[in-house]
Amino acid sequence: ETGVTQTPRHLVMGMTNKKSLKCEQHLGHNAMYWYKQSAKKPLELMFVYNFKEQTENNSVPSRFSPECPNSSHLFLHLHTLQPEDSALYLCASSQVTVDTEAFFGQGTRLTVV
Amino acid sequence: KQEVTQIPAALSVPEGENLVLNCSFTDSAIYNLQWFRQDPGKGLTSLLLIQSSQREQTSGRLNASLDKSSGRSTLYIAASQPGDSATYLCAVGDGTYKYIFGTGTRLKVLA
Repeated sequence: ETGVTQTPRHLVMGMTNKKSLKCEQHLGHNAMYWYKQSAKKPLELMFVYNFKEQTENNSVPSRFSPECPNSSHLFLHLHTLQPEDSALYLCASSQVTVDTEAFFGQGTRLTVV
Repeated sequence: KQEVTQIPAALSVPEGENLVLNCSFTDSAIYNLQWFRQDPGKGLTSLLLIQSSQREQTSGRLNASLDKSSGRSTLYIAASQPGDSATYLCAVGDGTYKYIFGTGTRLKVLA
């Protein structure tokens, strides 16, 4: 248990569906992140939120829409995804300091059919 | 642009062997480096965090070293066990709360 909880753990969705991934951290951190992990590729940073404000959007397509209502919760809203979006989506949190340590959730395994 | 490389991509060793995993990065201006473990289909578990001012960190059978000037870090695992089988990832922190990851080393320890 890392203190970062992601739900659901597995998700299968059609290309016309709308779904949301949820992440919650109980560590008192003020930065939260979404990463995408595809087979044979390094983890790709998607979004960064510091104190609920988005500070990084790493050229992510608009079919992925993040939301950070407070420092403890982070959502990733999904709509009209493509099969190539199938991957493990990982949420992480940390303090906003240069020497910060990142803590990750267990991930959501997303399959787009 | 920072690039992180991990060699080898996969490694199989007999139980009890000491082993070294390598991580190299192209830009030495890092703030810290973190080693993670990932079991199949699971999230990342933090193993060791080395700040840029440190040369090494130890936790149990694990020892991580950092040589910023040469752009290298190593993770040493002593007396490996089958339970150590997993993918090991290194990530460098650039001081802007972001981590850049390598592709990982997939380790299998044979009983």
